[in-house]
Amino acid sequence: AQSVTQLGSHVSVSEGALVLLRCNYSSSVPPYLFWYVQYPNQGLQLLLKYTTGATLVKGINGFEAEFKKSETSFHLTKPSAHMSDAAEYFCAVSVTVRAGRRALTFGSGTRLQVQP
Amino acid sequence: DTAVSQTPKYLVTQMGNDKSIKCEQNLGHDTMYWYKQDSKKFLKIMFSYNNKELIINETVPNRFSPKSPDKAHLNLHINSLELGDSAVYFCASSLRTGDTDTQYFGPGTRLTVL
Repeated sequence: AQSVTQLGSHVSVSEGALVLLRCNYSSSVPPYLFWYVQYPNQGLQLLLKYTTGATLVKGINGFEAEFKKSETSFHLTKPSAHMSDAAEYFCAVSVTVRAGRRALTFGSGTRLQVQP
Repeated sequence: DTAVSQTPKYLVTQMGNDKSIKCEQNLGHDTMYWYKQDSKKFLKIMFSYNNKELIINETVPNRFSPKSPDKAHLNLHINSLELGDSAVYFCASSLRTGDTDTQYFGPGTRLTVL
């Protein structure tokens, strides 16, 4: 079964510091991977996604993620954190739920705190 | 313009009651979803409809019944509410049911069962 694991339920960084949120996936077939962000009391918003092609994917708000097949990872990074980046981040993989039907399976989320 | 909207935003009710949550998308998408987010922020797919046809129905109690009057609307009706139903329910939509389609989420409905 395909799934994702997010390492670290809470990550705290200083403003201006590097952001690194970890996501590992398990999949027997090439995965389609997503990062979503959830700001307080809001719905989820797509940051970026990997389907095929270039393994370094750039998203909104300066975030990027690199698909590494050898490490089964899809970590999310941002060179310099802003206060506005404080949110919950979810990694997700598109999985087959039943024959011909796919749905997103989400990781448990990582709460990013940005300290002034 | 709101892409995916849900009503109500908050819903507080007693055990045993029946309630509905409405979802509408104005993106012209063919596929809509319901997700449940529990108190630990874990998100799980409940249902998916494509052009008013149910295509995903995960292990959800029969008390939950989705209804799609047209492809722009997917409502969720819950009978005999239980304490464990307390959660945030998110509606989402995507252009198709493809693997790579981006899903657009509504703002969520926080359901509290007392």
